[in-house]
Amino acid sequence: DTGVSQNPRHKITKRGQNVTFRCDPISEHNRLYWYRQTLGQGPEFLTYFQNEAQLEKSRLLSDRFSAERPKGSFSTLEIQRTEQGDSAMYLCASSPHTGAPNAEAFFGQGTRLTVV
Amino acid sequence: GENVEQHPSTLSVQEGDSAVIKCTYSDSASNYFPWYKQELGKRPQLIIDIRSNVGEKKDQRIAVTLNKTAKHFSLHITETQPEDSAVYFCAASSGLVGANNLFFGTGTRLTVIP
Repeated sequence: DTGVSQNPRHKITKRGQNVTFRCDPISEHNRLYWYRQTLGQGPEFLTYFQNEAQLEKSRLLSDRFSAERPKGSFSTLEIQRTEQGDSAMYLCASSPHTGAPNAEAFFGQGTRLTVV
Repeated sequence: GENVEQHPSTLSVQEGDSAVIKCTYSDSASNYFPWYKQELGKRPQLIIDIRSNVGEKKDQRIAVTLNKTAKHFSLHITETQPEDSAVYFCAASSGLVGANNLFFGTGTRLTVIP
């Protein structure tokens, strides 16, 4: 499968625990995005990487959230001290850098987080 | 920042009829408008997109129109089929530094009745 891959697909955690998700983008896509989607809503932007540089962060990304892309390939999203309000689908997307300001973003299947 | 509104939130059509979903956006700098289809439990998948240098784009049964002056764009699906049933999201992006992400609408749940 050469699409965007996310692991795990599902995560149930107790409130207060830390969780980490992984995203493997499409090979050679140098742009990587994290979005959060709650039931009945569209995806909301969290953060964006170009190669290993984190270039944009949403105000939704509180200090309990941290994302990395150390080698410009896969990325991790960590949530510390999880809260019930963090329960959502976390989607990763990647796109190639074509020189144009926008290029098609391909989404992964997401990690569904449930905080109990 | 950008604000994208989408209507209707639900839409039911008879198989073979057309479906139209409308979106408005607030940021005049937005210049890229993709539409995503998301089936239950699956990833959003791009079905069509349009850039601000064109007013209309068509791909088989799917078409998108853009009115930059009015800041609205629409998705048109003709000859609908049951497999078109899904949630459709519109989105907008300016691609400017600091705004490279997509802003999504709240989605339209389309049901095609056989």
